[in-house]
Amino acid sequence: EVQLVESGGGLVQPGGSLRLSCAASGFTFSSYEMHWVRQASGKGLMWVSRMNSDGSITTYADSVKGRFTISRDNAKNTLYLQVNSLRVEDTAIYYCARGGIYCSSASCYSYGLDVWGQGTTVTVSS
Amino acid sequence: DIVMTQSPDSLAVSLGERATINCKSSQSVLYSSNNKNYLVWYQQKPGQPPKLLIYWASTRGSGVPDRFTGSGSGTDFTLTINSLQAEDVAVYYCQQYYSAPHTFGQGTKLEIK
Repeated sequence: EVQLVESGGGLVQPGGSLRLSCAASGFTFSSYEMHWVRQASGKGLMWVSRMNSDGSITTYADSVKGRFTISRDNAKNTLYLQVNSLRVEDTAIYYCARGGIYCSSASCYSYGLDVWGQGTTVTVSS
Repeated sequence: DIVMTQSPDSLAVSLGERATINCKSSQSVLYSSNNKNYLVWYQQKPGQPPKLLIYWASTRGSGVPDRFTGSGSGTDFTLTINSLQAEDVAVYYCQQYYSAPHTFGQGTKLEIK
């Protein structure tokens, strides 16, 4: 079964740090781009960050750039998000998601976030 | 960054009727090299993570019922749900997958009238 399981969330004071993890199973983790998406309570989805399959390319939303760092360990089938200098507005459920790819005989094409974890909750409060 | 705007913010539709949700991007998400629109629709039910419904604007995800249809090209897209079922109550999001940051629309809450 294809599965993503997040962990590492918790309650932290403003300015604090956490390391979120996402354990992947049931697919060849090293072949897929991976993403983090967050959702504040009762609010919409916000894309946070992505990392390509070999870890050489990363992208961040402007609101987290310089504070969050995405990484991966393909040998451990795990994606990470180091979240530093946390603000109250970073309070949210953090989901990891797989970037889907479709491959024909000619090429491979990305198409969206096709597998999601259940999320881990980060609460930033004094 | 590409801005995604959905309309309406919420709608109520009777069981068995049609629901229509619109999504507009601030710039084209049509990739000219492969003629694919990098527009994705997700469904999120309460307490659950999002589920991919439609990708490339009109291709249904695995196991998605055929009452869900995506259409549109360039900057204007539509998700149509025919013969609304009770289990379709959810929030629906569009997302552009054309370029990072892969921004989402604000969501459309679908309820039963």
